[in-house]
Amino acid sequence: DAGITQSPRHKVTETGTPVTLRCHQTENHRYMYWYRQDPGHGLRLIHYSYGVKDTDKGEVSDGYSVSRSKTEDFLLTLESATSSQTSVYFCAISNDRNQPQHFGDGTRLSIL
Amino acid sequence: SQKIEQNSEALNIQEGKTATLTCNYTNYSPAYLQWYRQDPGRGPVFLLLIRENEKEKRKERLKVTFDTTLKQSLFHITASQPADSATYLCALDPGGGADGLTFGKGTHLIIQP
Repeated sequence: DAGITQSPRHKVTETGTPVTLRCHQTENHRYMYWYRQDPGHGLRLIHYSYGVKDTDKGEVSDGYSVSRSKTEDFLLTLESATSSQTSVYFCAISNDRNQPQHFGDGTRLSIL
Repeated sequence: SQKIEQNSEALNIQEGKTATLTCNYTNYSPAYLQWYRQDPGRGPVFLLLIRENEKEKRKERLKVTFDTTLKQSLFHITASQPADSATYLCALDPGGGADGLTFGKGTHLIIQP
């Protein structure tokens, strides 16, 4: 398996609090992605990064920000969590934009 | 509007038979399409990638076809086994210079012993 670690694996928090999810890779892949997965929806892209300090928005970026200060780490931040952001969040990596993506095992986030 | 559609209901197949999963898309012109497997509580695992100029791709018991005229990909598992039971996701590049993949909702495949 590709070396991808997501932390935490589970988190419960309250509406209005800030939350940061971390994705760490040991593969030196250029691209990193954050997706969310909800019942009735496919995986949806939140933000992605194509290099250190280079990020862009995905389909459902509102309410989320990201940062990538090192090749191996990609952080997803919910500045003020809302109940609609309760979801399972997956990080993925790839060598290039047209290459297969390798996923972490997800973070299950509950906002009460 | 843009859509990716996969069989929304679970697909039950007898062990040893060929399972065929469908992915249809609307208002996309993908340069490639990918298939992933997802088990409960785990992240998706990449299986196969097929490009627009390829009609068919094989890997062991897996075969993928890609028909850009019909806007459809078919995913086949031959000699299916209970261990093949999982949710299978179709994903394509949305084009327009955007990175990342657009995923279908997935098909839950159950292989009955």
